Amino acid sequence: DAKTTQPPSMDCAEGRAANLPCNHSTISGNEYVYWYRQIHSQGPQYIIHGLKNNETNEMASLIITEDRKSSTLILPHATLRDTAVYYCIVSYYNQGGKLIFGQGTELSVKP
Amino acid sequence: GAVVSQHPSWVICKSGTSVKIECRSLDFQATTMFWYRQFPKQSLMLMATSNEGSKATYEQGVEKDKFLINHASLTLSTLTVTSAHPEDSSFYICSANTGGGFNQPQHFGDGTRLSIL
Repeated sequence: DAKTTQPPSMDCAEGRAANLPCNHSTISGNEYVYWYRQIHSQGPQYIIHGLKNNETNEMASLIITEDRKSSTLILPHATLRDTAVYYCIVSYYNQGGKLIFGQGTELSVKP
Repeated sequence: GAVVSQHPSWVICKSGTSVKIECRSLDFQATTMFWYRQFPKQSLMLMATSNEGSKATYEQGVEKDKFLINHASLTLSTLTVTSAHPEDSSFYICSANTGGGFNQPQHFGDGTRLSIL
């Protein structure tokens, strides 16, 4: 079973920041938090991952709470092309890196 | 960036035939690849872990004789759906870890849409 909880859907206005929350209260010390997204009829796309520090790359920022029980993915300036299902996944580090997908958050970016 | 290629992107077959799907890592070597299945409006479900040079590890409930996995080289894994039936129609997706430790992200192919008539 997935070890994360996400809202099923969210809306965001184009040009505004999209903040996608994820709860992973049972995360263990050596497990990473990964974010992927899936645009309709395509394979998932890697966005960002982190262990305990906040991370930023050209696509997004990842904010992980100090207790690591939750995180937030931030898309700073959402565009219509960011409309997708976003998956927050806690890695099974000790099981060879398997990723178990939950239901994700369907983000709709609106003009 | 790392690229994973799947072929074919879509296939339509008659019931009872076997279908082979290829997953290639184009610019890196992948000792481990993963196979997923996704039904409409649902999330990805991990089917199996494909290990180069050894047998695949299947998730609970996945029939290993139905879904044959071969990972004969560091850049190619294949999934064969044997004696396919309409209920096997789905979106099949592979992924590969680029190495450097299991904390490194996986990269996914664009999937294969399989329709069995």
